[in-house]
Parts: sequence; structure tokens; C-alpha cells
Amino acid sequence: NAGVMQNPRHLVRRRGQEARLRCSPMKGHSHVYWYRQLPEEGLKFMVYLQKENIIDESGMPKERFSAEFPKEGPSILRIQQVVRGDSAAYFCASSHLAGGPNEQFFGPGTRLTVL
Amino acid sequence: ELKVEQNPLFLSMQEGKNYTIYCNYSTTSDRLYWYRQDPGKSLESLFVLLSNGAVKQEGRLMASLDTKARLSTLHITAAVHDLSATYFCAVGRDFGNEKLTFGTGTRLTIIP
Repeated sequence: NAGVMQNPRHLVRRRGQEARLRCSPMKGHSHVYWYRQLPEEGLKFMVYLQKENIIDESGMPKERFSAEFPKEGPSILRIQQVVRGDSAAYFCASSHLAGGPNEQFFGPGTRLTVL
Repeated sequence: ELKVEQNPLFLSMQEGKNYTIYCNYSTTSDRLYWYRQDPGKSLESLFVLLSNGAVKQEGRLMASLDTKARLSTLHITAAVHDLSATYFCAVGRDFGNEKLTFGTGTRLTIIP
């Protein structure tokens, strides 16, 4: 059973470009969480999605950031017009069920560098 | 707003010694998670603590949860070098939304 997969693992963008980060949850998992980790800091929640629905986007910046989890295919975190402050590691995690304490399994992360 | 604090932030200890990392959180929760992160790597799940008084042990690591005190501890016994890593606690709150609030992390360095 493959774990959570993310790609690309490393992404370099120039200011003003778009970044698209992909996350494929573990098989059988329909809940995806995105977190951002700035250098030397802990992880900060960004958004929680189920298939075709955004459940909680309270941690997402109001502008330039969007996320989706379509019926088919991976979850996508999209950052438009990137700025240097967007440089961070972006992790996704997946879990099996909502309701109750369901362990999240983390992907390897995408390390975004904005030049 | 849920806040999660860990201390110490940095910890250097000699091999063979014991130490404890503390995790305090600000609002009621009955689920707490400990993760390990090596430099440049993802998070590895260590423990899931789901009830008051829960204690779990794996090798040289033992975690406990006191929901009344809103405190979890991660105890390291007879530390060895390969335990060097950053350790995070994380708290989940709401049924139906398992988003985690992470502590600041404790960077542990084991000195031979």
C-alpha cells in the first residue's frame, strides 16, 4: 500500500509565476489536509478537503492560494503570483474517516523556493 | 484559538541520559499526537494518545497524556544518537474536522 505521494518534491519558481503542488492520498483515504512549514518552524494548517469539497480553509491566505480535490486525480494546491515569502515546505496528509481521532499520514512534502 | 506550546525548543543531551519534552495546549482536547521529523524529511508518526491517562511506549520513547492539565510529555530514556531529530506534538480538536495544531517543535541533539 503506497503511502501519501507528493510531487514535485522540489519546485523553484520566480516571483510572479504560478506553483502547482500535487498530493495523492493513501489508497482508501478520502480526506486530505495541507500544511505549510516555514524554515525552523512547526507546521501550520492551511486547508482540509474531502472529495470535491473544501471543508475548512481557515488557514489559507485570502489571496493567491487555492486548493481542490477533484473526484478523480490528486489534490492540488495552487499558488498564483508567488512571492519570496511563499518559500516553504508544503506537506499534505491524508486520513481515512472524518469524525473521531483518525491518524493522519504525511507525504514527503514539496519544498518550494521562490527566487 | 487553540495554542500548543512545547518546551524546551532546543535540547542537547548526552547519550545514556534521560529527559522529558513537554507539550501544553490551551483548550480542551482528547487527542494528541507526537511526530518525529529528520532534517529535510517528512513527519513520522510516533504516538497517538486518545484519553486521559494514556501512556504509550516504543523503545526508548514513552508518551503520556493528562487532559485535565492539558499536558503531554515525551520521555526519552537512555538516549542514543539516532534519536537526534525534531519532535512535534500536535493537537486535534473537532470531530468531523481533524485538522492539527502543531507545537513549535523541540530540536533534540544527542551528543556521544
